[in-house]
Amino acid sequence: AQRVTQPEKLLSVFKGAPVELKCNYSYSGSPELFWYVQYSRQRLQLLLRHISRESIKGFTADLNKGETSFHLKKPFAQEEDSAMYYCALQGAQKLVFGQGTRLTINP
Amino acid sequence: EADIYQTPRYLVIGTGKKITLECSQTMGHDKMYWYQQDPGMELHLIHYSYGVNSTEKGDLSSESTVSRIRTEHFPLTLESARPSHTSQYLCASQQTGTFFGEQFFGPGTRLTVL
Repeated sequence: AQRVTQPEKLLSVFKGAPVELKCNYSYSGSPELFWYVQYSRQRLQLLLRHISRESIKGFTADLNKGETSFHLKKPFAQEEDSAMYYCALQGAQKLVFGQGTRLTINP
Repeated sequence: EADIYQTPRYLVIGTGKKITLECSQTMGHDKMYWYQQDPGMELHLIHYSYGVNSTEKGDLSSESTVSRIRTEHFPLTLESARPSHTSQYLCASQQTGTFFGEQFFGPGTRLTVL
């Protein structure tokens, strides 16, 4: 079974503090994992994908196959990071999304 | 400009009416999807299509139907709207063979059934 779990529905941190959004997955094959973001009044869009090993807007995510995790991290949060974040797994036929985490950055 | 479009953006309608939510993409993608986004913002896949004349039901049972007569067009129809259908509906497209998983989303249709 393909499943993505984001244990935190809400996460609130202060500006300048480190941020970590958790994502765990269940998949029997070799996982292709992604983070999508939805800012207020904007479309859902791709933030980053693990295969690229890139850093976007200061965010990084490392795939840990041993712990089946793909946590999203940023060392210093900014107010514009406030958004809804979704972890997603490319399954055999479709993209499987986690439940989403609403991140709020307090000034 | 290559994009994915949804109309209407907002719709308020009475119970029992038939409605069609439009989704079109000019990205040349072969795969298209419909998601329902609940008030808690969780995404639920309700329909998908891998090409013309191909449609499948998603993970969330839905009373809606879809059609894919043209590659660029993937409309969703509710024959008889009910208050339980009130939600945000997102359309997405994806090209087979590119980086796996990148789906491009439309702006959404917010449906309210009174």
